[in-house]
Amino acid sequence: NAGVTQTPKFRILKIGQSMTLQCTQDMNHNYMYWYRQDPGMGLKLIYYSVGAGITDKGEVPNGYNVSRSTTEDFPLRLELAAPSQTSVYFCATGGGRGSPLHFGNGTRLTVT
Amino acid sequence: GIQVEQSPPDLILQEGANSTLRCNFSDSVNNLQWFHQNPWGQLINLFYIPSGTKQNGRLSATTVATERYSLLYISSSQTTDSGVYFCAVHGQLIWGAGTKLIIKP
Repeated sequence: NAGVTQTPKFRILKIGQSMTLQCTQDMNHNYMYWYRQDPGMGLKLIYYSVGAGITDKGEVPNGYNVSRSTTEDFPLRLELAAPSQTSVYFCATGGGRGSPLHFGNGTRLTVT
Repeated sequence: GIQVEQSPPDLILQEGANSTLRCNFSDSVNNLQWFHQNPWGQLINLFYIPSGTKQNGRLSATTVATERYSLLYISSSQTTDSGVYFCAVHGQLIWGAGTKLIIKP
């Protein structure tokens, strides 16, 4: 039982490149989330999903896209990477309101 | 939107000391969780506590929803308690900036 698995752990992108951050959970949770954490700050919600086929924007969605074709997977796509997207990205899953969130170990992304 | 403020921003204690971390929020919330981020960056959920009091070992939390604050208590601190403690509230979670706790041996 791995919980929430994020890949890659680290990545360096050049400005304008694209990439997909992968997130997979084996907890059978409906809710999945993508957050970003800038240095010295709390997390900010990028996108979330309440089930397969359903996604919604969070606080900071610009420059990102998501899809949720299965319960297990919730990839985050960065198009045309910008230096402002340098951050640590966390994927999380939960059973809904009242359930604790379970986090992956994060992806540290640098855009230069 | 809802504002979340945590205090103190930094706290340095000797091993064995007790501490109280505070989270103030600006409006009614339907969700409040406390998290610990260890020095390696891993995030662990400590409590789901939109109201009332909960305890788990040396940690306990109290939320007074009518007065819009929550407290996290850590007793008999250990060096492994070091890290950043976050409060996050409402819906899909709005996060405070955290309290950085350093426990010295």
